[in-house]
Amino acid sequence: ETGVTQTPRHLVMGMTNKKSLKCEQHLGHNAMYWYKQSAKKPLELMFVYNFKEQTENNSVPSRFSPECPNSSHLFLHLHTLQPEDSALYLCASSQEGRSGTDTQYFGPGTRLTVL
Amino acid sequence: KQEVTQIPAALSVPEGENLVLNCSFTDSAIYNLQWFRQDPGKGLTSLLLIQSSQREQTSGRLNASLDKSSGRSTLYIAASQPGDSATYLCAVQGGSEKLVFGKGMKLTVNP
Repeated sequence: ETGVTQTPRHLVMGMTNKKSLKCEQHLGHNAMYWYKQSAKKPLELMFVYNFKEQTENNSVPSRFSPECPNSSHLFLHLHTLQPEDSALYLCASSQEGRSGTDTQYFGPGTRLTVL
Repeated sequence: KQEVTQIPAALSVPEGENLVLNCSFTDSAIYNLQWFRQDPGKGLTSLLLIQSSQREQTSGRLNASLDKSSGRSTLYIAASQPGDSATYLCAVQGGSEKLVFGKGMKLTVNP
């Protein structure tokens, strides 16, 4: 286990639903990340939080809304998603995001299917 | 815009072979390069991180090298085992927190 947990592990939702993904890290890190992994595409960074402040939004549609209440927890709120949003959503954390020496530790991911 | 390429996309080998996995990137202004492993349905596990000032890193049967000027890295796996079967991803970190990933290479080691 990596010290980064994600719930739920699998989620099926309709396009009109609202759901949230949760990530928790037990490593004492200060930076947390959301990534999207679609079939046949490279892993894409979505959001970065450093010390609870959002420092990167990689042109993500507003139907994805992140929330970082503290350095240990990160949420991704989902609403009115499209079928093409179906993917594996990975959370990661690192000691301090701006350092070039950082290693990111990944959670197991949430497999999302939008019907 | 940084792009990371891993070729081939998949590789199948018999157990015991020494393997070389390739990664290339377009912008040599990087802070570090990392190799990750991903098992089916699982998250990523960091294998090796090479700082831009370093040439290589070693961990057990794994050795990663970095040639920043030519935009290349290789991951060498010695004496491959069936347990090495996984997808291997290369990622580079530039001037921000942002990691840019390749599409990965799916490795199958047959007993």
